[in-house]
Amino acid sequence: ETGVTQSPTHLIKTRGQQVTLRCSSQSGHNTVSWYQQALGQGPQFIFQYYREEENGRGNFPPRFSGLQFPNYSSELNVNALELDDSALYLCASSLGHPLGVNYGYTFGSGTRLTVV
Amino acid sequence: AQKVTQAQTEISVVEKEDVTLDCVYETRDTTYYLFWYKQPPSGELVFLIRRNSFDEQNEISGRYSWNFQKSTSSFNFTITASQVVDSAVYFCALSKYGNNRLAFGKGNQVVVIP
Repeated sequence: ETGVTQSPTHLIKTRGQQVTLRCSSQSGHNTVSWYQQALGQGPQFIFQYYREEENGRGNFPPRFSGLQFPNYSSELNVNALELDDSALYLCASSLGHPLGVNYGYTFGSGTRLTVV
Repeated sequence: AQKVTQAQTEISVVEKEDVTLDCVYETRDTTYYLFWYKQPPSGELVFLIRRNSFDEQNEISGRYSWNFQKSTSSFNFTITASQVVDSAVYFCALSKYGNNRLAFGKGNQVVVIP
């Protein structure tokens, strides 16, 4: 059983550019969530996808957007990058409806994004 | 709103000592879930335990134990006889039933000195 895989592992972008981060969920998991973790902080919820539909969003501006594909993999897109977007971006997958019982998430190792 | 407070930022212990990590949470919901995750230097969050709000039994798993006290809104985590491999950041997290997004604390950096 493979876990959650994310790519790339590290990325350096210039302010104002756009970036796409990718995530393959654990086999059989149909819900994918994205979290942003700034240095020295706990992860902050960005949004969640269930069966290709966004199902909940945290306090992030619209330039943060996402997609979920039929195979449950997902992308996180960030437009007009700002210096404060520098962080570890974590993808997490779980089984079941996001409004039901929370059995916990399997997290990937993250993508370290640096904006210069 | 859900809130999790982990007051201690960095804790250093000598190998074989016990270490307890405090987690205090705030929620208006009657049904909720509490979690602990471990984050080693590699970055991924490793699931340790999930507890729902109706189950106040303490739990032990090997050298790990958890003390859930609803009366004080705390869910503390103890590592007994710490080992160097326990060095990591540990996060406490909370979600309410019907909304699976996790609210994390700021984490406890545990450094086990050999």
